[in-house]
Amino acid sequence: EAQVTQNPRYLITVTGKKLTVTCSQNMNHEYMSWYRQDPGLGLRQIYYSMNVEVTDKGDVPEGYKVSRKEKRNFPLILESPSPNQTSLYFCASSFLIRGGLRGLNTEAFFGQGTRLTVV
Amino acid sequence: AQRVTQPEKLLSVFKGAPVELKCNYSYSGSPELFWYVQYSRQRLQLLLRHISRESIKGFTADLNKGETSFHLKKPFAQEEDSAMYYCALKVNTGFQKLVFGTGTRLLVSP
Repeated sequence: EAQVTQNPRYLITVTGKKLTVTCSQNMNHEYMSWYRQDPGLGLRQIYYSMNVEVTDKGDVPEGYKVSRKEKRNFPLILESPSPNQTSLYFCASSFLIRGGLRGLNTEAFFGQGTRLTVV
Repeated sequence: AQRVTQPEKLLSVFKGAPVELKCNYSYSGSPELFWYVQYSRQRLQLLLRHISRESIKGFTADLNKGETSFHLKKPFAQEEDSAMYYCALKVNTGFQKLVFGTGTRLLVSP
């Protein structure tokens, strides 16, 4: 079954304790992305990756790191979490179709989300 | 700047009533718009996209460039339609970026 898998689904941690949220897809998608979802703000992009070893900042990258060492995995790293990073996080992936505009792609497939609470 | 506006946080209707979830966008380029749905305890999934001009689960959405809108409509709401709905705009800056609205929760009561 084609899917995007995030772990853990729920996490409560303390300020300053490094954590990693994993994301894995089995669809051989080049493009992967992380979003956070906050009430009244919708989904905002944190980081994205066009392919292995190619990552770039989204709209709200502060306090986050990512890596893309393998095509299927795109972990989100919080080196020193703070309470303002309490949120619902989604990983997404999609193909890249190189049409007239580089990087056009099909729909994004989303993971089930990770609810993070930083106290 | 690119922006997607969903003015209603909550839309509550009775089963069988018509539904319209509003979405307006701001974008200087050629827009490509989507509706994503998130059922309770499930992941976001694509509902429909304007370029397909399709009807999914009875929902339709028409892109109105004059009004910069992409409202989602269904003539007769069902209880299973209760979910969070997000309008999204794909921005072509050389790579993909989906800009999401803040979402509208649809509640269909029996």
